[in-house]
Amino acid sequence: NAGVTQTPKFRILKIGQSMTLQCTQDMNHNYMYWYRQDPGMGLKLIYYSVGAGITDKGEVPNGYNVSRSTTEDFPLRLELAAPSQTSVYFCASSYGTSGNEQFFGPGTRLTVL
Amino acid sequence: GQNIDQPTEMTATEGAIVQINCTYQTSGFNGLFWYQQHAGEAPTFLSYNVLDGLEEKGRFSSFLSRSKGYSDLLLKELQMKDSASYLCAVMDSNYQLIWGAGTKLIIKP
Repeated sequence: NAGVTQTPKFRILKIGQSMTLQCTQDMNHNYMYWYRQDPGMGLKLIYYSVGAGITDKGEVPNGYNVSRSTTEDFPLRLELAAPSQTSVYFCASSYGTSGNEQFFGPGTRLTVL
Repeated sequence: GQNIDQPTEMTATEGAIVQINCTYQTSGFNGLFWYQQHAGEAPTFLSYNVLDGLEEKGRFSSFLSRSKGYSDLLLKELQMKDSASYLCAVMDSNYQLIWGAGTKLIIKP
């Protein structure tokens, strides 16, 4: 099992460009999450999904969009990239919520210049 | 508001014991998680507490006091590979994880 995979590992964007961060899990987990991690701060939840076809906003959703057409995939879309979106992005998945650990992908380091 | 506090950095000696504290104020409580994160890598799960008391897992154990709003992560027989950041996260009433900024643990020989 590969677990949670993310692509790309690194990316540099210019202000105003768009991109999609890919996330796939092969554990048949219903729950998937997107977080961003900034230096000196805790992980912040961007969007999450409780199953295929269902997505919801987290704490910091502005400037991002997601879709969940299959159980395995949960891509994160950045429209009109801004320097404030420079961060490390982690995708995670879990079997359930309470008591269930979240499994994280390796992360995407994004720089917006 | 919701708040998770942890020390920013701690230093300990190889072979010793270290205790990392996490205090929390959240809207609801559905469990507390500890994760380990090595530099440049993803967080990995260490422990979970939902009831008061101690959970032990090899060299790592975690204690929870819900009435006082804190957890301690105890690491014994420290090894150089334990140099990492330790993240505390609380699951709130919406079943979302609220994360602390992490404690960077430096192990010296």
